[in-house]
Amino acid sequence: DTEVTQTPKHLVMGMTNKKSLKCEQHMGHRAMYWYKQKAKKPPELMFVYSYEKLSINESVPSRFSPECPNSSLLNLHLHALQPEDSALYLCASSQGSLGQETQYFGPGTRLLVL
Amino acid sequence: ILNVEQSPQSLHVQEGDSTNFTCSFPSSNFYALHWYRWETAKSPEALFVMTLNGDEKKKGRISATLNTKEGYSYLYIKGSQPEDSATYLCASENTGGFKTIFGAGTRLFVKA
Repeated sequence: DTEVTQTPKHLVMGMTNKKSLKCEQHMGHRAMYWYKQKAKKPPELMFVYSYEKLSINESVPSRFSPECPNSSLLNLHLHALQPEDSALYLCASSQGSLGQETQYFGPGTRLLVL
Repeated sequence: ILNVEQSPQSLHVQEGDSTNFTCSFPSSNFYALHWYRWETAKSPEALFVMTLNGDEKKKGRISATLNTKEGYSYLYIKGSQPEDSATYLCASENTGGFKTIFGAGTRLFVKA
């Protein structure tokens, strides 16, 4: 199984809602990533988890809260988002996080904040 | 260069044409360069990981070269097919923190 799955595929939420994005992989990878991508822009790294511990937080606002309950799952909890947070949220995993490793991506969750 | 830049932004070619595009990246503290292929509504898919200056990698009709001293990589597609239509992303890692910085991609359209 070389697949990274993400749910939901699409999400529309209001600025007062609380929602969560989910990501799952069963490749035994020990590093997992959240990226945000706006149209025609590069994917931007948000968070990196290595061995279920948060190792990189790219100064992401606290309205985004990551969680790694186990080595296969990565969640992104959303609360009080702004319309400018509308984007494609990509999850990825890699065997480790020491670099020079291929990242395997999910198809993304397209988020619209109204 | 502090960012990863890709050119052109988009490219239209005819089936059978060969094509190439460029990725420019910071050459200081270089650690690795990745190429991904991203079809619409699918997941980005890894093509190559390149680490050594002068590296050349090949996968079928697609190949890539790497110049770490001047900070660029070329991706070549020989005899483009409609199924090659996708966005091609490159991403650079540096030794400063193993973070991956992506370019905005080159969108390739191959017309039958």
